[in-house]
Amino acid sequence: GENVEQHPSTLSVQEGDSAVIKCTYSDSASNYFPWYKQELGKRPQLIIDIRSNVGEKKDQRIAVTLNKTAKHFSLHITETQPEDSAVYFCAAPIDSWGKFQFGAGTQVVVTP
Amino acid sequence: DTGVSQDPRHKITKRGQNVTFRCDPISEHNRLYWYRQTLGQGPEFLTYFQNEAQLEKSRLLSDRFSAERPKGSFSTLEIQRTEQGDSAMYLCASSSDRGHQETQYFGPGTRLLVL
Repeated sequence: GENVEQHPSTLSVQEGDSAVIKCTYSDSASNYFPWYKQELGKRPQLIIDIRSNVGEKKDQRIAVTLNKTAKHFSLHITETQPEDSAVYFCAAPIDSWGKFQFGAGTQVVVTP
Repeated sequence: DTGVSQDPRHKITKRGQNVTFRCDPISEHNRLYWYRQTLGQGPEFLTYFQNEAQLEKSRLLSDRFSAERPKGSFSTLEIQRTEQGDSAMYLCASSSDRGHQETQYFGPGTRLLVL
């Protein structure tokens, strides 16, 4: 079955530095890979996603890269700000009906 | 608010009691998902629906758990004879099978504490 590994589990960065989170998966039933941000006590919110017909996608300070051959995808946050502090989850599709397996999450702490 | 809503937001119950949670998806979404999330973990799939049809139920889900979506709109998740290990955040998400069908939008969750 699908196995999603996410690293690191915690990430502490200085404000203004970059943060990179990586996920690997064992298999994929579709071509869609989302990233969610979850602040303490709040719902997971989609921040960016990528479909496998592209290798990279950017949205302001956030970017995602996908390597389907190697079966890994990464989230890049540049010029980090304190409000970027949260838990970030990657997800990989298990079937074509929208069933996902989520990574265990990365706690990102941005220190001023 | 036209997003996914869940009710109640918090539930405290005693071991052995039954609880029921409700999820109202985004109105035009025909797919609905239930997840469970414990501290320090990602959402764990429980079950999902396409309209009123339940497509799959996780093997991790015991027979004490049941979910329904009778009219293809809102859904309920019932836990019978609750155990302390059921304490978790129960998240609901919805998506559409049109356009960017894979994008799931989450509700605020119901936090369950079993004493």
